[in-house]
Amino acid sequence: AQKVTQAQTEISVVEKEDVTLDCVYETRDTTYYLFWYKQPPSGELVFLIRRNSFDEQNEISGRYSWNFQKSTSSFNFTITASQVVDSAVYFCALSGRYTGNQFYFGTGTSLTVIP
Amino acid sequence: DAGVIQSPRHEVTEMGQEVTLRCKPISGHDYLFWYRQTMMRGLELLIYFNNNVPIDDSGMPEDRFSAKMPNASFSTLKIQPSEPRDSAVYFCASSLSSSGSGELFFGEGSRLTVL
Repeated sequence: AQKVTQAQTEISVVEKEDVTLDCVYETRDTTYYLFWYKQPPSGELVFLIRRNSFDEQNEISGRYSWNFQKSTSSFNFTITASQVVDSAVYFCALSGRYTGNQFYFGTGTSLTVIP
Repeated sequence: DAGVIQSPRHEVTEMGQEVTLRCKPISGHDYLFWYRQTMMRGLELLIYFNNNVPIDDSGMPEDRFSAKMPNASFSTLKIQPSEPRDSAVYFCASSLSSSGSGELFFGEGSRLTVL
């Protein structure tokens, strides 16, 4: 079965704090891909990152970093020195080589950054 | 390049009316997806196409929903007759991938309100 769990429904932080959004996945595929999307208040879904199952290197992009750990089936997302513009709903998603291009989305984590 | 284009952005209609949502995918993308987003159910995949052919429509809620993709640059999602419970944001997305590795590019969504 394919499943993505984002246990944190809502998070509030004060500006400049660091925050980590958790994502745990289940899959039977040996080749799979993990994604993070951002949905700001304006409503569009913006692609942030893709990771494939063969690459466990962590990635950093500016204030964003991602920690992929196959051993714990997790793909966590950290925002360093959060800003008000980071306020959004963040979705983690999974697709697999043998699941016919189906994307499985988590239920999202709503992040509010308080100025 | 233009992104995924959806129309209308907002639609308000009365119960029983026919609703047609439109989508133009990114040129060259061979996969097209229709998602529905509600507070209660999150992001749900309704149907997806590959090279204009419907591959999986198991997410289409009932016979009132239908989707077509007459050519590579256009798709429609039709609801007839519409009901208040169909109120949601409908997203179209496209991707270029044969193995689930490509990220989805989303349109800005069509917010449907059925009174």
